[in-house]
Amino acid sequence: RKEVEQDPGPFNVPEGATVAFNCTYSNSASQSFFWYRQDCRKEPKLLMSVYSSGNEDGRFTAQLNRASQYISLLIRDSKLSDSATYLCVVNRRNNNDMRFGAGTRLTVKP
Amino acid sequence: DAGITQSPRHKVTETGTPVTLRCHQTENHRYMYWYRQDPGHGLRLIHYSYGVKDTDKGEVSDGYSVSRSKTEDFLLTLESATSSQTSVYFCAISESGSPGWETQYFGPGTRLLVL
Repeated sequence: RKEVEQDPGPFNVPEGATVAFNCTYSNSASQSFFWYRQDCRKEPKLLMSVYSSGNEDGRFTAQLNRASQYISLLIRDSKLSDSATYLCVVNRRNNNDMRFGAGTRLTVKP
Repeated sequence: DAGITQSPRHKVTETGTPVTLRCHQTENHRYMYWYRQDPGHGLRLIHYSYGVKDTDKGEVSDGYSVSRSKTEDFLLTLESATSSQTSVYFCAISESGSPGWETQYFGPGTRLLVL
């Protein structure tokens, strides 16, 4: 079993839709959590960190449930430019111990 | 964007040949990392460096070696390339390695094909 699991998708949604991605992690010692975005044939870039209390950045909301070892990302009012692969990242202790999910692919259509 | 470059960006080589990939940063960040990305696996850490001449193994280090003689350069070497090392290789940097909330910034990647 992989340490970080994501639904690979693809998620195909119309512009303006709300879409949610889930991620589960198996190591209960994990301490920090992130969502990265990766465009096709490009490098990953940090989208947002995920804090215990949940956090929001514009149209993006991230939630963490430590008891269930579950992370989510909600995108409201999807834009065409949101089309990308979203990577769930879990860090056990420090930056040499990060575990990446395989990613969830999102396509937003006109 | 963080100042990270990788060279070469694309390479085709034959099984058994040595290959060296270079990562260069202009951010003066202490930590540098090499990852590989394969379909269905996500990024996996190969080696990382926490300073000049200070390196350590990651999750998938077998068949790879690294060197860091200057803050700005981190080299990844495949001593004898195998087809299983066909992958996209990403270099990343971060200012520090702990407490774990540091953002990692990635280079543009190197696509390696081993025939």
